[in-house]
Amino acid sequence: EAGVAQSPRYKIIEKRQSVAFWCNPISGHATLYWYQQILGQGPKLLIQFQNNGVVDDSQLPKDRFSAERLKGVDSTLKIQPAKLEDSAVYLCASSLAGTGYSIGYEQYFGPGTRLTVT
Amino acid sequence: RKEVEQDPGPFNVPEGATVAFNCTYSNSASQSFFWYRQDCRKEPKLLMSVYSSGNEDGRFTAQLNRASQYISLLIRDSKLSDSATYLCVVTHSGGYQKVTFGTGTKLQVIP
Repeated sequence: EAGVAQSPRYKIIEKRQSVAFWCNPISGHATLYWYQQILGQGPKLLIQFQNNGVVDDSQLPKDRFSAERLKGVDSTLKIQPAKLEDSAVYLCASSLAGTGYSIGYEQYFGPGTRLTVT
Repeated sequence: RKEVEQDPGPFNVPEGATVAFNCTYSNSASQSFFWYRQDCRKEPKLLMSVYSSGNEDGRFTAQLNRASQYISLLIRDSKLSDSATYLCVVTHSGGYQKVTFGTGTKLQVIP
């Protein structure tokens, strides 16, 4: 079974530039997550999709970050304009968690995109 | 108070030692609990789920204490390959699976 795919793996940009990350979840997984992980910290949820709808974007800096999940499959996360503090690893994960009260599903993570903003 | 708290460590232990990590959570409505392992510069991977009755997988034992709102992970007979960061994960349902990660506890097993 293919895992979660992400691209690019590495990206270096200057502050105020824009950048986009792509994620293709495991086939059949309804829920897709984007996390930001700063060195030495745990993953911080940015946005969570269930199928193609957003269920949680409470920690997404909406003035500069945007995300979409077209057709309930793959997803893109964009930063525009980037700041120095956006330097982090951006992890995409997916799970079988669906609607209603389904809980307790394992998340499968992609390899991440390591972003450096200079 | 953070939703999920862990001692960041690092825990430096010799091979063969037993080591235990705790993780506390603030939301009493939390329903599912997990331990993930993250190797340096890699993505997190599920180590084990934590059940109310406690569960064991080889050298690893996970326990849940709902009354005190914490979970624990015990590693017996530590191996060099156990060196990693261990992330505590707590979920609860508000119509969808809301997931919160702890900051992680770093373990270094020394020869």
